[in-house]
This record gives sequence, structure tokens and C-alpha cells, in this order.
Amino acid sequence: KAGVTQTPRYLIKTRGQQVTLSCSPISGHRSVSWYQQTPGQGLQFLFEYFSETQRNKGNFPGRFSGRQFSNSRSEMNVSTLELGDSALYLCASSYGTSDYEQYFGPGTRLTVT
Amino acid sequence: DQQVKQNSPSLSVQEGRISILNCDYTNSMFDYFLWYKKYPAEGPTFLISISSIKDKNEDGRFTVFLNKSAKHLSLHIVPSQPGDSAVYFCAATPRAAGNKLTFGGGTRVLVKP
Repeated sequence: KAGVTQTPRYLIKTRGQQVTLSCSPISGHRSVSWYQQTPGQGLQFLFEYFSETQRNKGNFPGRFSGRQFSNSRSEMNVSTLELGDSALYLCASSYGTSDYEQYFGPGTRLTVT
Repeated sequence: DQQVKQNSPSLSVQEGRISILNCDYTNSMFDYFLWYKKYPAEGPTFLISISSIKDKNEDGRFTVFLNKSAKHLSLHIVPSQPGDSAVYFCAATPRAAGNKLTFGGGTRVLVKP
């Protein structure tokens, strides 16, 4: 069974721009969660989508948004990029919204200059 | 406010010996705990989990202990192998929050041959 895939793997953007990251979950998984990893703050939960609905949200500003499509694929968008948004963005999928055991993708490394 | 803390940023252990990783939490609502392992350039990989109704869970070389009164959990790896060298994260969630995991800062483990 193929794992969680994330595209692109690396991205360089300029401050003020916006960016869209994509995540394809494991086949059959309907929950997709997004996390941000930075050296200073560690791994932090952004949001979770299940059956195209946002189920949970972390403490991030409104510039961070996401959506999920009917095939469970998910995208997250960051608008008006700031230098502090430079991070590894990880996507995780699970079958249900309370499975806890989440399978992570390799991440997208975003650098904001 | 760091609700999940891993106070040891690094650990070095000889191959064949026991590795003990510690994790403390402050949120009394947490009732499900997980350990993940992360290699460079990869997403975290689920290792083992424990519910608050248990105080111990074993899976092969990995055992997780939970002390609810002390709000402390630990991961024991016996025997340690060079392939175990990675960063280990503990994570916690209240069951009601579903897949919203709160992670500790991680402990880098180096197993020396």
C-alpha cells in the first residue's frame, strides 16, 4: 500500500507571497492532519480534515487554511508569507478521526526569503 | 505553555543496552499517548501507544510505561540497536480531540556499535 505523499518536497518563496501544499493520504484513509515543524516550536498541530470538513484547528493565524477534496486529498494554503513560516510541513493520515495512530508523509520543506 | 515536555534533548547508549526516554505532560485531559520515531528527511513513524486505562504496553523491543499520578511516561528500548538511532517524539491527546496530537520537543538517540 502506498504511503502518504506530499508535493512539492521543497519550496522557496518570497515574503508576502502565498503557497499551496498538497497531501495525498493512504488509500482508504479519510482523515488528514497537518503539522508544522520548526526548530524553535517543534511539531505543532495546524488542522485536521475528515470527510471534507475541518474537525480540529490549532493555534495558528487565519493566514493558514486548508481544504479536503472528495477523494480525501488535502491542500493547505499559507497567504502573505512571513519569514517565520519557514518550516517543515507534515501531513498525516488515518482511517478515522479518532484513530490516533497517524501515518506521516515525508513533509514539504518551505523556505521563505 | 509546553504541555508535553521531553527534558533530555539527547541520549547516547551502547548497542545491546537499554534506552530509556522520558516524557512529562501537564494537561490532565490527555488520556492517550504515543511515541514516534523520526529519521532525517522522513516523516515521523508511529512506534507504540498507550491509553490512560493502562500503565504498560509492550510491542517487541519497545515498552511504554505510564504513571498518571506523576503525569509521566517513558519508552524503553531493549536491546538498543544501531538502527534505533533517530529522534523520538512523545505525543499526547485527549480522546475527545481525536487526531489533534500535542508533541514533545524530541530526544535524539544515538546507539553506538
